Amino acid sequence: GIQVEQSPPDLILQEGANSTLRCNFSDSVNNLQWFHQNPWGQLINLFYIPSGTKQNGRLSATTVATERYSLLYISSSQTTDSGVYFCAVGGGAGGTSYGKLTFGQGTILTVHP
Amino acid sequence: ETGVTQSPTHLIKTRGQQVTLRCSSQSGHNTVSWYQQALGQGPQFIFQYYREEENGRGNFPPRFSGLQFPNYSSELNVNALELDDSALYLCASSIDGNEQFFGPGTRLTVL
Repeated sequence: GIQVEQSPPDLILQEGANSTLRCNFSDSVNNLQWFHQNPWGQLINLFYIPSGTKQNGRLSATTVATERYSLLYISSSQTTDSGVYFCAVGGGAGGTSYGKLTFGQGTILTVHP
Repeated sequence: ETGVTQSPTHLIKTRGQQVTLRCSSQSGHNTVSWYQQALGQGPQFIFQYYREEENGRGNFPPRFSGLQFPNYSSELNVNALELDDSALYLCASSIDGNEQFFGPGTRLTVL
């Protein structure tokens, strides 16, 4: 199956700093999502980005599908950005196709005031 | 628009018992996927239901089973509970298996 590797595993920042999280995957995918998991376990959708670049406020993401990686950028980090960030990839798209997501191990982000 | 909901929030069972977890999909979504997340790990895919049929399964034994109803809500059943089944169980809904939206999860503890 598809392998997903995230780096770094842990990241500690001061408030206001910028950061880049990376996700490498081992095969072609039709689905790539970035999530933020809050302390209660809820996975919050950040981006659905099988390819290209998207921005949402202080967050942006880029997926280069041909090179099998995706990057999540967090600018001007805030303490509320703390938590676990997951990249998940899948091959499913449309009809009866298989919508399994394979998750990476996550990046634990801690932002200090 | 109502998001994905799950019940119960927390559950404590003893080894050997059976448990049923429930998930209501987001309005307009026809596909439900279930995931198990052990402490400190990423979620692991259990199975997916599309139009009331199982449509893909991860590396989980047959004692993990499910249902999807005509309104696209779903149940996850686990028989003969083992200690290692203690985890956060997440359900996600989507349209045709595309972008998935997750519920808040059910935290299961097996004693």
